Amino acid sequence: DSGVTQTPKHLITATGQRVTLRCSPRSGDLSVYWYQQSLDQGLQFLIQYYNGEERAKGNILERFSAQQFPDLHSELNLSSLELGDSALYFCASSRRQGALQGDEQYFGPGTRLTVT
Amino acid sequence: QKEVEQDPGPLSVPEGAIVSLNCTYSNSAFQYFMWYRQYSRKGPELLMYTYSSGNKEDGRFTAQVDKSSKYISLFIRDSQPSDSATYLCAMSSNYGGATNKLIFGTGTLLAVQP
Repeated sequence: DSGVTQTPKHLITATGQRVTLRCSPRSGDLSVYWYQQSLDQGLQFLIQYYNGEERAKGNILERFSAQQFPDLHSELNLSSLELGDSALYFCASSRRQGALQGDEQYFGPGTRLTVT
Repeated sequence: QKEVEQDPGPLSVPEGAIVSLNCTYSNSAFQYFMWYRQYSRKGPELLMYTYSSGNKEDGRFTAQVDKSSKYISLFIRDSQPSDSATYLCAMSSNYGGATNKLIFGTGTLLAVQP
């Protein structure tokens, strides 16, 4: 158990809908990262937050947004869902904000999103 | 060309064998190198984390980084059926300390036969 929690575990929804994925980082971690894992693209970085502020963006669609709250939990919002958005969405957390020695990322169990 | 290349396998070995998993990369700015293990439908689990070139050992696992060749390896000694999983290499660079996004290989599926 990494200490990172994600809810829900599974989500089935229809095209055009909006969903919210939730992540709680490990105790003491200030950075939260979101990744998408699909069969054709592998694990792709979406976005990073550090202590409530957005720090980096990857290949995140405009239909997707995220935020980190004062208690450091994070939510990933996916809207106008398409069939191609079906994937595993992982949250990871680390102690600090940057690629510093010892700043390992620990992953949660993921949310499996199925868009029908 | 992808920034990180990894042989997808599958790789099948008998129990007790030494397993060698490899990744190559093209971005010379990468300084931090990781290996994650992922069981089916589970989250990636961090196995090894190394900085720059060199070797690191942890139990049955040894990670090697050769920055001059842009090549990293993970060796598993005395492999066990419980090691059967997908192994993902990941890398990151220090963009002035501002970000820590990981770039992943596609993963190698390993099966250890009892």
